[in-house]
Amino acid sequence: DIQLTQSPSTLSASVGDRVIITCRASHSLGTYLAWYQQKPEKAPNLLIYKASTLQSGVPSRFSGSGSGTEFTLTISGLQPDDFATYYCQEYNSYSRTFGQGTKVEIE
Amino acid sequence: QVQLVESGGGVVQPGRSLRLSCAASGFTFGNYGMHWVRQAPGKGLEWVAIIWYDGSNEYYGDSVKGRFIISRDNSKNTLYLQMNSLRVDDTAVYYCAREGPVWPPALSVGMDVWGQGTTVTVS
Repeated sequence: DIQLTQSPSTLSASVGDRVIITCRASHSLGTYLAWYQQKPEKAPNLLIYKASTLQSGVPSRFSGSGSGTEFTLTISGLQPDDFATYYCQEYNSYSRTFGQGTKVEIE
Repeated sequence: QVQLVESGGGVVQPGRSLRLSCAASGFTFGNYGMHWVRQAPGKGLEWVAIIWYDGSNEYYGDSVKGRFIISRDNSKNTLYLQMNSLRVDDTAVYYCAREGPVWPPALSVGMDVWGQGTTVTVS
């Protein structure tokens, strides 16, 4: 089974900061990785798929990069609406796996 | 508009069964793979199961394999999750989510539509 490890688990930041979240995979995923944002009591929201393709309607301050076993989600200029938990998810197999999540908190 | 609405959650005793439903609207349901994803209280997302657009293939997470069954009725635009032999650690909010082509990976665009979730409490 594929394991995904996100770092950090929690991140404190201020409005306007550049934030980077890392997702490491136990096996190569090519570019078959997605990122989701989840706010409390809400369903997750797709931000990025295929490692770097921005989902329609997602602000351009979100970007993704990486391939193989190491991936990053970058938020360039953190906005108040961005304080949330972020998950990576692989789809390089018949099943799916999520990372454990990274909570972005207000510093 | 494009929408997924889960139902069927509730409180159930350990060892009992429960069936969740996910009603789809606003898109051609039979063209999409579908997932169940759950989230235990205060925990992260856990993938539960996937079913291909035509029901021809289904796969399960290790924690539910042999106990849960995913199915769909494309004529009713509805996804199901039959949960048997429920355990206390199955307590969670259960979300359904759609994914376009689910295989090969090059065609996938991720889980782009999610329901609001239905809560299952095993106690």
